[in-house]
Amino acid sequence: QTVVTQEPSLTVSPGGTVTLTCASSSGAVTSGNYPNWFQQKPGQAPRALIYGINNTHSWTPARLSGSLLGGKAALTLSGVLPEDEADYYCLLYYGGVRVFGGGTKLTVL
Amino acid sequence: QVQLREWGPGVLKPSETLSLTCAVSGDSIKGPNWWTWVRQPPGKGLEWIGEMNHSGDTNYNPSLKSRVTISVDRSKNQVSLKLSSVTAADTAIYYCARVIRGGAEFFDYWGQGTQVAVSS
Repeated sequence: QTVVTQEPSLTVSPGGTVTLTCASSSGAVTSGNYPNWFQQKPGQAPRALIYGINNTHSWTPARLSGSLLGGKAALTLSGVLPEDEADYYCLLYYGGVRVFGGGTKLTVL
Repeated sequence: QVQLREWGPGVLKPSETLSLTCAVSGDSIKGPNWWTWVRQPPGKGLEWIGEMNHSGDTNYNPSLKSRVTISVDRSKNQVSLKLSSVTAADTAIYYCARVIRGGAEFFDYWGQGTQVAVSS
């Protein structure tokens, strides 16, 4: 089965910019993988952030954006706030099968 | 506003069958959207289990397919998950979520999850 890989952990300073990536073992991530990004804070359910590379939900902060970067899906957080500290998961679609990445623990320090 | 609420037995023994229910409000199970189950073992990441629409079309995680059944109850606007022959490895928080398909593939609304522990 396809493996989806994310950075296990990243650290960013408040006000800074950080990019999280999501790679597929089956090759370059494309629009056909319909990347989704989710945020999860301790004790809470995941919250949808980005879908279809760079589409946002009504509740997604404007400082978050998605893209394709070097064959990977990417989530960029600009002007990072302390409240952005969380786990972030990507989800890729493979024609009827969906695979989550292992998650990135983002520390704001 | 779409809301999802999951519930289940909480604790069950190895080899038993897990049954969970997700009640949907603010959207109709009979509509075009799909409904999915995701789980998260303690301290670990998210794992997609499978999904279904009101017509009975399903997609399952290949690694769980032999043990999983997802169904819908149109009269109650609920989605159910059954997982057979459970082991300690099935201990997790189980979430249901709405899936938007048809030219887009994304999850938007999630339930708060229900904790399941498998223990003898």
